[in-house]
Amino acid sequence: KQEVTQIPAALSVPEGENLVLNCSFTDSAIYNLQWFRQDPGKGLTSLLLIQSSQREQTSGRLNASLDKSSGRSTLYIAASQPGDSATYLCAVDSGGGADGLTFGKGTHLIIQP
Amino acid sequence: NAGVTQTPKFQVLKTGQSMTLQCAQDMNHEYMSWYRQDPGMGLRLIHYSVGAGITDQGEVPNGYNVSRSTTEDFPLRLLSAAPSQTSVYFCASRNTRNTEAFFGQGTRLTVV
Repeated sequence: KQEVTQIPAALSVPEGENLVLNCSFTDSAIYNLQWFRQDPGKGLTSLLLIQSSQREQTSGRLNASLDKSSGRSTLYIAASQPGDSATYLCAVDSGGGADGLTFGKGTHLIIQP
Repeated sequence: NAGVTQTPKFQVLKTGQSMTLQCAQDMNHEYMSWYRQDPGMGLRLIHYSVGAGITDQGEVPNGYNVSRSTTEDFPLRLLSAAPSQTSVYFCASRNTRNTEAFFGQGTRLTVV
């Protein structure tokens, strides 16, 4: 059974810092990996999708990498801003017969003004 | 585009009552799924559908039913609500297996 772990569980940094969020998964046979952002009381917003054949994806100040063989992904946030404060979730599509994502428990990020 | 729309946003049920959580998407996506989010547990898959007329169970299907009569709608039915079903429920859709998933705003359900 696929398991997804996110480290750290919480992170607080001053505005302007670059930071890295980590995601690891136990089964490397995946279709894709997706990073989401969740604001309190809200739904999930997709940030980046990395397909299994890709190594990284970029969107603005965000860069996500994927190393399937080691079961790891990182989300790099450059020049952090207070508006980046949210919970960041990593989710893996493990393929097989079931269509669904396996989620990590998230990293709660606070950017201090 | 409205994206994925869930109704209601909040609901309180008494133990034993039944209800249907609605989910509709206007993106013509084939894949739809239901998750529940609980503190300390993360999001877990309840049921999913890969097209109209096709549904299957996810990780935590007990106590829930689904049907998919149209591409747009994927309702989740609670047959006899229990306090253990107190949770936040999210509906998601995606076009194909390898495209990004879009989520609704969630339904916060409390069973007393």
